[in-house]
Amino acid sequence: GDKVKQSPSALSLQEGTNSALRCNFSIAATTVQWFLQNPRGSLMNLFYLVPGTKENGRLKSAFDSKESYSTLHIRDAQLEDSGTYFCAAEIPGTGSNRLTFGKGTKFSLIP
Amino acid sequence: DMKVTQMPRYLIKRMGENVLLECGQDMSHETMYWYRQDPGLGLQLIYISYDVDSNSEGDIPKGYRVSRKKREHFSLILDSAKTNQTSVYFCASSYRGRDSDYTFGSGTRLLVI
Repeated sequence: GDKVKQSPSALSLQEGTNSALRCNFSIAATTVQWFLQNPRGSLMNLFYLVPGTKENGRLKSAFDSKESYSTLHIRDAQLEDSGTYFCAAEIPGTGSNRLTFGKGTKFSLIP
Repeated sequence: DMKVTQMPRYLIKRMGENVLLECGQDMSHETMYWYRQDPGLGLQLIYISYDVDSNSEGDIPKGYRVSRKKREHFSLILDSAKTNQTSVYFCASSYRGRDSDYTFGSGTRLLVI
């Protein structure tokens, strides 16, 4: 089965609303990264996390290694937040700095 | 401006032809990666390079090889391309060890006909 599972697979919300994306790991992860792939296809790094929380503007992410999950919260969503969000985990035993990706959450904004 | 540069952006090749995808980075990152992205499958690791001439297979290395002769440059080679290698290929780089957040290139769309 998938080592990194993202939910939901798709999300469609109105502008200005808040949302939460989740990533569950079937085995222990040491670090997590979140990426946004915009509609043009470019992948941007949003967060690099060891266990704990980080915040950047309207985005906030948390990684709980004991409970094996990570979340990405988007506050006051804007059109430029549209795209596909990927989480990826560094899993011990798979190789140094090697990430295992989830299949993504497709995020759409309704104006 | 710190970035990862991929060339070319778009490529059309005939089955059986050789393909060379190039990737460069200006951040002195030790580690570089090649991924392919297909609908429904997400990002799959093809090869990882920990430094010059220090390359390891990823999850789907069959049909590909790589070359890293300089730290800032990592090439992906398809010898005798197949139609199932039609995909979007992404290169990425990172520092090795802690704070190894990835920087991705813009991708190369390869169509093998």
